[in-house]
Amino acid sequence: SQTIHQWPATLVQPVGSPLSLECTVEGTSNPNLYWYRQAAGRGLQLLFYSVGIGQISSEVPQNLSASRPQDRQFILSSKKLLLSDSGFYLCACGLAGGSDTQYFGPGTRLTVL
Amino acid sequence: DAKTTQPPSMDCAEGRAANLPCNHSTISGNEYVYWYRQIHSQGPQYIIHGLKNNETNEMASLIITEDRKSSTLILPHATLRDTAVYYCIVSGHSGYALNFGKGTSLLVTP
Repeated sequence: SQTIHQWPATLVQPVGSPLSLECTVEGTSNPNLYWYRQAAGRGLQLLFYSVGIGQISSEVPQNLSASRPQDRQFILSSKKLLLSDSGFYLCACGLAGGSDTQYFGPGTRLTVL
Repeated sequence: DAKTTQPPSMDCAEGRAANLPCNHSTISGNEYVYWYRQIHSQGPQYIIHGLKNNETNEMASLIITEDRKSSTLILPHATLRDTAVYYCIVSGHSGYALNFGKGTSLLVTP
């Protein structure tokens, strides 16, 4: 079964600083990968998804970017964080081929001050 | 994807069955019903999904009405650890993002 690792678990960053969150997946090959964000008291918002190495689709225009340098590695980045970037960032993995069963990592709680 | 409607909150006594309803009256023929839950400060967890037949696994049972316009997730013997937000999602197996909506906040009490 799939295991999704995310780090760090928590992060406090000043406004204007860069960001790099990493997600790695074990137990499957060629997965669909997703980055979601959950603001405090809100629902999950899809940020990016990827169906393969180097293939990134962005859902919401913002100052974040994503990359997939390896099959089971997904990275979320920012050059300059905003206060509004605070939230709970979740990486998810879905099986290739269209299944909507997604497995989520433990998340990274980001606070921008 | 079709829209779903769930009650915002429900209570259930520990040891009793928790029955969580979901309306999806605009569901189309090729769309599945998925259930996930999110325990506080954790990532969502997949529970179960179905197309038109009832489904059961080690976590829960999913009952889908014959017209497929509504469904019920059943936790047969709720425990305190089942306290979570439960999301009913309708999706066409596109492998695309899931629309989690607001879900139902289930509180299991001793």
